[in-house]
Amino acid sequence: EAQVTQNPRYLITVTGKKLTVTCSQNMNHEYMSWYRQDPGLGLRQIYYSMNVEVTDKGDVPEGYKVSRKEKRNFPLILESPSPNQTSLYFCASSTGLRETQYFGPGTRLLVL
Amino acid sequence: DQQVKQNSPSLSVQEGRISILNCDYTNSMFDYFLWYKKYPAEGPTFLISISSIKDKNEDGRFTVFLNKSAKHLSLHIVPSQPGDSAVYFCAAFSGGSNYKLTFGKGTLLTVNP
Repeated sequence: EAQVTQNPRYLITVTGKKLTVTCSQNMNHEYMSWYRQDPGLGLRQIYYSMNVEVTDKGDVPEGYKVSRKEKRNFPLILESPSPNQTSLYFCASSTGLRETQYFGPGTRLLVL
Repeated sequence: DQQVKQNSPSLSVQEGRISILNCDYTNSMFDYFLWYKKYPAEGPTFLISISSIKDKNEDGRFTVFLNKSAKHLSLHIVPSQPGDSAVYFCAAFSGGSNYKLTFGKGTLLTVNP
């Protein structure tokens, strides 16, 4: 089954404790992206990647890092999480620049 | 500065009637627009898209209209069904070769039986 998977689905952590949210797709998509969804703000793009080893900032990259060492994986790293990073995170992938994005199920993060 | 605006947080319609969801944008560099639907506890799913070279795109019950001069697009759902009840996001790609996608805040559509 073609899908985008994210782990963990739920995470509670404390300020400053490094964490990684994994994202993997099995559709051989070149393009991948991370978003956060917050009440009243909709979805905002954090980082995107147009190919292996090619990443770029979205609208809200501060406090996040990403890497794209393999085509299928695009982990989101929070080196020192803060409470304002409490949010619902979505990973997405697509075949091309203007192609349909397929979203993962989301990761709900709470930073205390 | 919000570049994609969905000014109606919610919309309620009767089953069988038309639902019209609106979206305005400010960035004239946007050249490709999409609508996504999102159910609670799920990721968004693609619904329909339109390129800036077109003014209309239709897919079954869903039609998207683009008015470039007004920087406005709308999604029409006819006839509306209770299963259409979800949050609808308008999104836009800017021109060029980057992959930046800007979303609106979303509109919660409720279709009443």
